[in-house]
Amino acid sequence: AQKITQTQPGMFVQEKEAVTLDCTYDTSDQSYGLFWYKQPSSGEMIFLIYQGSYDEQNATEGRYSLNFQKARKSANLVISASQLGDSAMYFCAMREGYFNKFYFGSGTKLNVKP
Amino acid sequence: KAGVTQTPRYLIKTRGQQVTLSCSPISGHRSVSWYQQTPGQGLQFLFEYFSETQRNKGNFPGRFSGRQFSNSRSEMNVSTLELGDSALYLCASSWGSVGEGNTEAFFGQGTRLTVV
Repeated sequence: AQKITQTQPGMFVQEKEAVTLDCTYDTSDQSYGLFWYKQPSSGEMIFLIYQGSYDEQNATEGRYSLNFQKARKSANLVISASQLGDSAMYFCAMREGYFNKFYFGSGTKLNVKP
Repeated sequence: KAGVTQTPRYLIKTRGQQVTLSCSPISGHRSVSWYQQTPGQGLQFLFEYFSETQRNKGNFPGRFSGRQFSNSRSEMNVSTLELGDSALYLCASSWGSVGEGNTEAFFGQGTRLTVV
């Protein structure tokens, strides 16, 4: 079974609007971490936000917030006030325990239109 | 503080050759993991090193190997290169153990390997 599922291969959003990128995960571990990364065409993976399985509040980092619904095993990324520079691939990833071993989704290509 | 450094950024090799890629993690991070990214297979985990020991291994053939040095720098080696090994290779740097510092994991810019 897939550990991380991203069901939106591509999305368009108008500049300055908010957008939600979907991510569901599958694990039987009690302790895990959920991450979102941005990958521009240059290839580097840019860390955006982290949510721990025991965190009761949704994580926020500037314009990024993570909508964490533990019972539904979803960890959606919300980008507020989209900018042209947000156009990139976005990956949801999970780490079980504290090991530095990530399971990645297939990614969502976000295009921000002016 | 300095980020994760991967060298070289680009490589072109011939089938049958071998290649060594390097990853220098963020200062203080003791865990380095490696990933292969291809258009067809996406991001796949290769292996993880923590304090010079391989802690986890993905489903790759034995041609793929790695090691970690006492300063946490890691290398991965691919022997007898095949065309299908052409990919972006990324490494991730992390604290790697229980603690507040383990809420982040940073990737290098990657090494783009082309096998011809």
